[in-house]
Amino acid sequence: QLQLQESGPGLVKPSETLSLTCTVSGGSISFSTNYWGWIRQTPGKGLEWIGTVYYSADTYYNPSLKSRVTMSVDTSKNQFSLKLSSVTAADTAVYYCARTGSDYAMNWFDPWGQGTLVTVSS
Amino acid sequence: EIVLTQSPATLSVSPGERATLSCRASQSVSTSLAWYQQKPGQAPRLLIYGAATRATGIPARFSGSASGTEFTLTISSLQSEDFAVYYCQHYNDWLTFGGGTKVEIK
Repeated sequence: QLQLQESGPGLVKPSETLSLTCTVSGGSISFSTNYWGWIRQTPGKGLEWIGTVYYSADTYYNPSLKSRVTMSVDTSKNQFSLKLSSVTAADTAVYYCARTGSDYAMNWFDPWGQGTLVTVSS
Repeated sequence: EIVLTQSPATLSVSPGERATLSCRASQSVSTSLAWYQQKPGQAPRLLIYGAATRATGIPARFSGSASGTEFTLTISSLQSEDFAVYYCQHYNDWLTFGGGTKVEIK
C-alpha cells in the first residue's frame, strides 16, 4: 500500500525559503508512471495546488506561485521535494504531498500524505 | 483560471437521508472533475474521479454526475462517518479546488 509522508521545518521566517520533503513508501517513484504533487490548505484560501513533478524531473507549477516554487525528485531516496522562496505569512498552511491518480500530470490526487503545518513567523 | 463554486456552504442532513452537493465550473472542464472527503485533522480522501467513477474502496452510496458545467455528488443514505467537508477539484488544465461543502448532522 502506497504511503506518503511529509517532513520539514514547522516554522520558517519571513523572506526565507520553505523546504519540504515527501517520502514515498510501498512503491517506487522511478518505476511509477504517476506524477507527484504538492497541495496546501489554508483557512482563508482553502485547497491550492502548488505543483506537480515527474520522476524524470518534468515540472508543472501553479502560475500564481511559479516564480517562487521549485520541485525536485531524488529517486535514490524515493523522495520528492518542494522549495518555496520569499515566504510571507500568507504561505502559512498545511502542506500535503500526493500522487496523481493516473499517468497524466494534470490529474486527481490519490493517495495523500497526512499533511504538515508550516507557519511563517519571525 | 477555472473557478469551481460549491453549494451550499453547509448542508444539514439527518442520518439515513440523502445529501446532494453541487459544484459549478466557470467554464467547461469536460468530465475532468474529482470529489474528495475531508474529516477534521485528516488529509482529503478521493471519492470520485472522471465526474462519476468511484475510487477504489468507496461505498456505492457515493455517486457523482455531470451536466455541462454542473457537477453533483450524491450520498444516498448518510452514515455517521459521512459527516465531513467535501471538495471538488478539476483537472482540465491547471488544477483548482472548490471552496467546500460541510455536511453536518441535522
